[in-house]
Amino acid sequence: AQSVTQLGSHVSVSEGALVLLRCNYSSSVPPYLFWYVQYPNQGLQLLLKYTSAATLVKGINGFEAEFKKSETSFHLTKPSAHMSDAAEYFCAVSDQGSSASKIIFGSGTRLSIRP
Amino acid sequence: NAGVTQTPKFQVLKTGQSMTLQCAQDMNHEYMSWYRQDPGMGLRLIHYSVGAGITDQGEVPNGYNVSRSTTEDFPLRLLSAAPSQTSVYFCASSYLGSDEQFFGPGTRLTVL
Repeated sequence: AQSVTQLGSHVSVSEGALVLLRCNYSSSVPPYLFWYVQYPNQGLQLLLKYTSAATLVKGINGFEAEFKKSETSFHLTKPSAHMSDAAEYFCAVSDQGSSASKIIFGSGTRLSIRP
Repeated sequence: NAGVTQTPKFQVLKTGQSMTLQCAQDMNHEYMSWYRQDPGMGLRLIHYSVGAGITDQGEVPNGYNVSRSTTEDFPLRLLSAAPSQTSVYFCASSYLGSDEQFFGPGTRLTVL
């Protein structure tokens, strides 16, 4: 069975500092991996996804994530945090080639930005 | 395109009441789904549909019914609401075979 674990339910960083949100996955087959962002009172929006084409994936708003098979990780980073990055972030995993019904979401990490 | 729309945005029910959460999409997506979001638990799949007339259960289907009479609409029905169904409900849609889902803005439901 697949699963994702997001380390830290709440992360707080200063504006301009590095953002690092951690995600580890478990999958018996090659995975697809996703990061979604949820701004307050809104639905989820796809930030980026890994589909085996390249291990370093760039997404919207300056975020990127690196797939590390040896560490079973897909951590999300941004070099310099902006106040508008305050949101909840979800890591998700699915089997390669499976449908959307097989996507498993993590429990989420709330990112706060200090002025 | 309006994308995925959900109504109502907020709803308060008493235990035992019934109601329908509405979801519609105008992107001609075959796949539609309902999730519930609870603190510390991420999103859990309730029901999904791969096309008009076809529905299937997700991870947490008990207490919920769905139907898909058209491609555009995918309502979620609570027949007898319980406090355990207090949650935020999201509808999502995608093209069949695609892993990228488009989410609605959510419905915040409180059951007293």
